[in-house]
Amino acid sequence: ETGVTQSPTHLIKTRGQQVTLRCSSQSGHNTVSWYQQALGQGPQFIFQYYREEENGRGNFPPRFSGLQFPNYSSELNVNALELDDSALYLCASSLATIGGGSTDTQYFGPGTRLTVL
Amino acid sequence: AQSVTQLDSQVPVFEEAPVELRCNYSSSVSVYLFWYVQYPNQGLQLLLKYLSGSTLVKGINGFEAEFNKSQTSFHLRKPSVHISDTAEYFCAVSARGVQGAQKLVFGQGTRLTINP
Repeated sequence: ETGVTQSPTHLIKTRGQQVTLRCSSQSGHNTVSWYQQALGQGPQFIFQYYREEENGRGNFPPRFSGLQFPNYSSELNVNALELDDSALYLCASSLATIGGGSTDTQYFGPGTRLTVL
Repeated sequence: AQSVTQLDSQVPVFEEAPVELRCNYSSSVSVYLFWYVQYPNQGLQLLLKYLSGSTLVKGINGFEAEFNKSQTSFHLRKPSVHISDTAEYFCAVSARGVQGAQKLVFGQGTRLTINP
């Protein structure tokens, strides 16, 4: 069984640029969630994708967007990067079950460390 | 809205001593709780979860947690810690959004440091 993988591991960008982060979900999982973890903080929910549709978003502006592909892999795109976007970006996959929802267990990848200069 | 408070930002413990990491939650609906561990420069690894049933939950690496509804707590314990337990520990509550998304709401984390 293949776990959640993310690429790249590290990334350095300058303010105003755009970035794309990638995530491959665990085998058999159909749902991907993205989280932002600032230094010294707990992860914050960005959004979730289920069957290629965004089905929930946290308190993040529209310049944070995403995609989910038919193979359930996902991308996180951030436009017009700001210094405060510097963080560890975590992808988590889960298997959404009918009637499950809140009990679905999310499994996390190793993260992408984004530094904005 | 659901929220989680981890009462200690840092916990130093000597090797082979017991440890308790405290977590309190706030939720107006059914409660589903998780503990994750984050080793340096890594992602989050699931330690254990409470969904229903027995209030004492056993996880990996000898950790266990007890769900206490009346005190709205979900404290993590280990009877004897090892140097390799040095890591950041996160408590989380599961919340379901109006569109159906399940999100985890995390606490600020507790840094556990094991001293020889």
